[in-house]
Amino acid sequence: GQNIDQPTEMTATEGAIVQINCTYQTSGFNGLFWYQQHAGEAPTFLSYNVLDGLEEKGRFSSFLSRSKGYSYLLLKELQMKDSASYLCAVRPPGRNTGKLIFGQGTTLQVKP
Amino acid sequence: ETGVTQSPTHLIKTRGQQVTLRCSSQSGHNTVSWYQQALGQGPQFIFQYYREEENGRGNFPPRFSGLQFPNYSSELNVNALELDDSALYLCASRPGRGANTEAFFGQGTRLTVV
Repeated sequence: GQNIDQPTEMTATEGAIVQINCTYQTSGFNGLFWYQQHAGEAPTFLSYNVLDGLEEKGRFSSFLSRSKGYSYLLLKELQMKDSASYLCAVRPPGRNTGKLIFGQGTTLQVKP
Repeated sequence: ETGVTQSPTHLIKTRGQQVTLRCSSQSGHNTVSWYQQALGQGPQFIFQYYREEENGRGNFPPRFSGLQFPNYSSELNVNALELDDSALYLCASRPGRGANTEAFFGQGTRLTVV
């Protein structure tokens, strides 16, 4: 089966650090993506992990452990504009590599 | 800026009707996927088109169908609309089928079925 779990909501303070976790149980794995989606807008790409370890990109970092079926997105120096939904998505293996299996998303609220 | 454009942005249809949603992929992208996103949920994969052929489908009934044109733009058609079809429909394009290429999403079409 395919199952991706993320917390539904999180709240953090401006300037702080927040970690959004994602666990997955999928039949096969061909990479994990994180997307940001502001209300009423398109999801925008944040990061891609296919090997274990940490990928850093400015204020955002993403970590993957394939053996544990676990990833997290780390946001540093939070800004008000970071208030959005964060979507974890797994790409299954196979010739149909366009398919992404999304979690339900984590709504992050950044407070002053 | 994504470059993926969808039309219309909002649409209201009556149960039983048919609807066509349109997507223009980003320049140079030959792979288009369609997703359905219900309120408060993550997007659900409907199907993918590569060079005008469907080459992958999610758990959606046959009344969800699509097309891709030579310029790689795409349509999503839904027949016999049901109330549960009310959702945001997202189109995403990619430059090929490589597993490590991210999908670029359009802003979506908000469909309401009444």
